[in-house]
Amino acid sequence: ELKVEQNPLFLSMQEGKNYTIYCNYSTTSDRLYWYRQDPGKSLESLFVLLSNGAVKQEGRLMASLDTKARLSTLHITAAVHDLSATYFCAGRKLRRATYKYIFGTGTRLKVLA
Amino acid sequence: DARVTQTPRHKVTEMGQEVTMRCQPILGHNTVFWYRQTMMQGLELLAYFRNRAPLDDSGMPKDRFSAEMPDATLATLKIQPSEPRDSAVYFCASGLVRPEYFGSGTRLTVV
Repeated sequence: ELKVEQNPLFLSMQEGKNYTIYCNYSTTSDRLYWYRQDPGKSLESLFVLLSNGAVKQEGRLMASLDTKARLSTLHITAAVHDLSATYFCAGRKLRRATYKYIFGTGTRLKVLA
Repeated sequence: DARVTQTPRHKVTEMGQEVTMRCQPILGHNTVFWYRQTMMQGLELLAYFRNRAPLDDSGMPKDRFSAEMPDATLATLKIQPSEPRDSAVYFCASGLVRPEYFGSGTRLTVV
């Protein structure tokens, strides 16, 4: 069964600093997804990583995927307060001819002014 | 602006009562997911449908939960009877393959 773990679970950082959120998964997942959730709100899709070595960037966020290490990272550059949210990664696992989409534990990011 | 619509937004009910949550997926999306979010368990996949047919409901307690798609514009998640441990936020998501767009969720409190 696919298990997806993120670390850290909580992250408090100063504006202007860089940091990386890690997403490890237990078995093969051919794709990796990142989502953002603001407090009390819904989830918003950020990135879809389709293959080994894939890198996607949007603003101050950059996501990458290493399928051999079963690791995806979400790198934050020069953080700003608006990036405060919970970030989830999700993998997918083929099971009985259908895919199951499994979410990680989430990383709650707080950017301090 | 296309969105996934969930109703109700909030529901407080007494233990033992039936609860029905509804979801209208984005027009044209043929895959619909139900997730439950709690502090302790995070986001759990309960069930999902493609072209209205259930593909996976292994995450759902079958004795009290049921999920259906009576038509392409409506998905329902029913709990009967409800229990306090069902208190959570229930999200519906739709997409062409993956959970791409999420609804605002139904916050369920069972007292």
